[in-house]
Amino acid sequence: DAMVIQNPRYQVTQFGKPVTLSCSQTLNHNVMYWYQQKSSQAPKLLFHYYDKDFNNEADTPDNFQSRRPNTSFCFLDIRSPGLGDAAMYLCATSRRLETQYFGPGTRLLVL
Amino acid sequence: QQQVKQSPQSLIVQKGGISIINCAYENTAFDYFPWYQQFPGKGPALLIAIRPDVSEKKEGRFTISFNKSAKQFSLHIMDSQPGDSATYFCEASARDFGNEKLTFGTGTRLTIIP
Repeated sequence: DAMVIQNPRYQVTQFGKPVTLSCSQTLNHNVMYWYQQKSSQAPKLLFHYYDKDFNNEADTPDNFQSRRPNTSFCFLDIRSPGLGDAAMYLCATSRRLETQYFGPGTRLLVL
Repeated sequence: QQQVKQSPQSLIVQKGGISIINCAYENTAFDYFPWYQQFPGKGPALLIAIRPDVSEKKEGRFTISFNKSAKQFSLHIMDSQPGDSATYFCEASARDFGNEKLTFGTGTRLTIIP
């Protein structure tokens, strides 16, 4: 019973070519997060939605955008991927004051 | 004030031993302290969490000890097993309405040897 689903699991894109990663949830949680995780590092929060309210971390590059069209879905758009954007991208959800549930991640490779 | 310092970076423990991982934080507004376990190629998964109104929480072989005055908390894994080999992250968060602050520790790679 998948609760947080991320597609695709692996994404290969070319330098500068826009890419969109998707996340969906069956938990009906009101908060959805996007993290970037590079090898052997902790997840780095990019932004999160509290319901429809978008909260951007101060150091998230402008190259990263997000959309949340409804409660269940959230998208991460990388407008012009660079080699340094190659990473695992994790989506998570939570109810306020509760645990985060992470998806399996999308591994992005930039050629 | 957003930092969470986690130690050690890596840890090797013999099967059956106790694994101890420590975290220290600075922001006194933090009010929720979970530990996550992550296996290679997977997303993190909650292991155990504590709020600052208690000093210890135990779930099976996993215990969190919390010292509010020292602003430190630690994870203890009793009777460590090879299946516990993973990377562990502490997190500290302040979950004020519309103003959530989340910070992960740097991670500890735990290896349990037979």
